Amino acid sequence: AQSVAQPEDQVNVAEGNPLTVKCTYSVSGNPYLFWYVQYPNRGLQFLLKYITGDNLVKGSYGFEAEFNKSQTSFHLKKPSALVSDSALYFCAVRDKSSSNTGKLIFGQGTTLQVKP
Amino acid sequence: DTAVSQTPKYLVTQMGNDKSIKCEQNLGHDTMYWYKQDSKKFLKIMFSYNNKELIINETVPNRFSPKSPDKAHLNLHINSLELGDSAVYFCASSQVPQGRETQYFGPGTRLLVL
Repeated sequence: AQSVAQPEDQVNVAEGNPLTVKCTYSVSGNPYLFWYVQYPNRGLQFLLKYITGDNLVKGSYGFEAEFNKSQTSFHLKKPSALVSDSALYFCAVRDKSSSNTGKLIFGQGTTLQVKP
Repeated sequence: DTAVSQTPKYLVTQMGNDKSIKCEQNLGHDTMYWYKQDSKKFLKIMFSYNNKELIINETVPNRFSPKSPDKAHLNLHINSLELGDSAVYFCASSQVPQGRETQYFGPGTRLLVL
């Protein structure tokens, strides 16, 4: 079965420091991986995705993610955190077991808290 | 020029009532989805329509019935509301359902059943 795990419920980082939000996955075949961000009382906003090609994917708001096939990970990173980055972050994988349905399987979410 | 919009944004109602949530997308996408986010923020897909055809129907009570009058709209009707239905419901859309396509989400409808 396809699955995604975000091992940390919360990540705390000081403003200006680098941040990492972890994600590991379990899929059959090549994964399609996504990161979304949810600000308080808002919908999910797409940050970036890995489909194929370069393992380092750059996305919105200065975020990037590194696909690591051997470690089955897709960690989200940013070189210098901003207080405004504080939000709930979701990693997701496209479910390939149900062909052509587009079903996304989400991780449980990680709350990022950036302190001034 | 909101891409994916939902109405209402908030919905407070009594147990046993019937309610509907509407979703519209102006992205020209063929596929639309409904997701449920529970109190622990866990997100799970409920339904998906592609060109008005139901393609995903997860294990959801029969009280929930999606309706897609056209490609740009996917509504969710809920009968006999229960306390456990309290959640945030997100609509999303993508160009097509397959593979690499990004899903774009609406702002959510916060449903509270009293």
